[in-house]
Amino acid sequence: LAKTTQPISMDSYEGQEVNITCSHNNIATNDYITWYQQFPSQGPRFIIQGYKTKVTNEVASLFIPADRKSSTLSLPRVSLSDTAVYYCLVAEAGNTPLVFGKGTRLSVIA
Amino acid sequence: DTGVSQNPRHKITKRGQNVTFRCDPISEHNRLYWYRQTLGQGPEFLTYFQNEAQLEKSRLLSDRFSAERPKGSFSTLEIQRTEQGDSAMYLCASSLGVAGGQNTQYFGPGTRLTVL
Repeated sequence: LAKTTQPISMDSYEGQEVNITCSHNNIATNDYITWYQQFPSQGPRFIIQGYKTKVTNEVASLFIPADRKSSTLSLPRVSLSDTAVYYCLVAEAGNTPLVFGKGTRLSVIA
Repeated sequence: DTGVSQNPRHKITKRGQNVTFRCDPISEHNRLYWYRQTLGQGPEFLTYFQNEAQLEKSRLLSDRFSAERPKGSFSTLEIQRTEQGDSAMYLCASSLGVAGGQNTQYFGPGTRLTVL
């Protein structure tokens, strides 16, 4: 069973900021939080990974509160090409097999 | 391109035939994972290797499935006597596999298998 819970789907207009929240109440001390993006018929693409507080890269930001029981992926100014399924996972520094849930299907509308 | 590569990208076969897929991980990565993904679901773990050693197999990996990584570089996944239920996307991922630190898994493009 996936160790995370996230919304099944979300809709957004182009140019808006999208925040996808993930719950992981039973996260372990050694677990990292990782987000992947997947387009149809392609493998998951790594977006961002973090342990606590805030992580930012050229694609997204990841906000993790102090208790680490949830996290929020923030996508600034989405475009139509951001339409994809986004997976939130927790795993021990990536050294264990990943357990995927069904992810969040983001639809960006013009 | 130094990412994970998989071949073939697509495979159509008849029920009962054997198929073999290949995965070439990122060159310095010690760990290699195989996952399977069916429509509308997230990827499901099948097996993984640390160098040439196969460390874990999922219960999804029936005795018709076998995976190898003979020299600790590329890996093959073979399915014998394919069944229609084997139709799926087969994904390979690799990671550095070092103790501690962030060992991000990077995925290949997948091999889509269709069993007729």
